[in-house]
Amino acid sequence: DADVTQTPRNRITKTGKRIMLECSQTKGHDRMYWYRQDPGLGLRLIYYSFDVKDINKGEISDGYSVSRQAQAKFSLSLESAIPNQTALYFCATSDPGTGSTSTGELFFGEGSRLTVL
Amino acid sequence: DAKTTQPTSMDCAEGRAANLPCNHSTISGNEYVYWYRQIHSQGPQYIIHGLKNNETNEMASLIITEDRKSSTLILPHATLRDTAVYYCIVRISGTYKYIFGTGTRLKVLA
Repeated sequence: DADVTQTPRNRITKTGKRIMLECSQTKGHDRMYWYRQDPGLGLRLIYYSFDVKDINKGEISDGYSVSRQAQAKFSLSLESAIPNQTALYFCATSDPGTGSTSTGELFFGEGSRLTVL
Repeated sequence: DAKTTQPTSMDCAEGRAANLPCNHSTISGNEYVYWYRQIHSQGPQYIIHGLKNNETNEMASLIITEDRKSSTLILPHATLRDTAVYYCIVRISGTYKYIFGTGTRLKVLA
């Protein structure tokens, strides 16, 4: 099984609908992230969470919300989807990357492709 | 935060070394250099990282200049499976900020 699992992998929806993308991890990491990728571009950070009680906005959080249900689960919601939220969404986890055995490496899920019509 | 500059695309012959450059001229002393790659639309995959010393692992080598203003990722014997987009990222240890640019699209040619 994958270390970071995203569901659904593909979703087509209509403008105005509420959408939830779910992420679960078996790495045991406290840190989790949601990124968005548009065609031909790099990844942009939407939200990040350093533990269950710590949630922070990234560079493009408008129109999105998140919930950290447990250490292993971090979900992303689009309350009212719009076409320009059509993108590939990635969840990731990491350790802090501050010690000799802590690399700070990001572990990514396989992505959730969302199309908003 | 330091920004990185990478060539948009590169080609490399199969079996040859692929040398991917990255400029990070504004890097600060506590920022690490990380390399990731993304094959097609899969989740990016970690390759290697370093602070100031050269690093090597089973996938690649990372050469960082003495002034730390640039680095080179070396894939010693490129294969067709190394065709991907390669991202060079600088990150302060312990922070959340991994800033992905547009990367270098490497095409390995048979």
